[in-house]
Amino acid sequence: NAGVTQTPKFQVLKTGQSMTLQCAQDMNHEYMSWYRQDPGMGLRLIHYSVGAGITDQGEVPNGYNVSRSTTEDFPLRLLSAAPSQTSVYFCASSYGTNQETQYFGPGTRLLVL
Amino acid sequence: LAKTTQPISMDSYEGQEVNITCSHNNIATNDYITWYQQFPSQGPRFIIQGYKTKVTNEVASLFIPADRKSSTLSLPRVSLSDTAVYYCLVGERTGGFKTIFGAGTRLFVKA
Repeated sequence: NAGVTQTPKFQVLKTGQSMTLQCAQDMNHEYMSWYRQDPGMGLRLIHYSVGAGITDQGEVPNGYNVSRSTTEDFPLRLLSAAPSQTSVYFCASSYGTNQETQYFGPGTRLLVL
Repeated sequence: LAKTTQPISMDSYEGQEVNITCSHNNIATNDYITWYQQFPSQGPRFIIQGYKTKVTNEVASLFIPADRKSSTLSLPRVSLSDTAVYYCLVGERTGGFKTIFGAGTRLFVKA
């Protein structure tokens, strides 16, 4: 199993550009989540999904869209990038609702100029 | 979700035992205490979880007093590779896929 994979590893955007951060898992996990981590801070939940076709907002959803058309994939879309979205983005998947079951990807480092 | 307070940073030497305490005065009856570890340039990973008294696994021990208003993560005989950020989280066990993280404790282990 590859686990949770994220692409790209690093991306530079100009203000106003759009892009999609990819996340995939091959563990058949029901639950998937997106977090952002700003320098020196903990992770903040952006969006999450409890199954294919079902998504919901987390703590900081503004400026981001998600969809979950398959169990494996959970892309995060930035519609119009802003410098405030410069951060490291982590995707996670879980086979259950307990924290013990949550696995994180390696992260995508995003710089918005 | 109960608010948690933990030290911003700690230093230790190889071979020492490290104890990181987390305060959570407003913990609710259904809340569990969970600790994560995050190495530089990696996502967090689950270390240990408990409800009361003591829990031990191959990585760490978790001590929770009877009033559950605090908890202590204990790392025995740390090595340089234990240098990481450690997060204390308090919340219902069923919220694992929408975890809220605080700033964590940055542990630096020196040779």
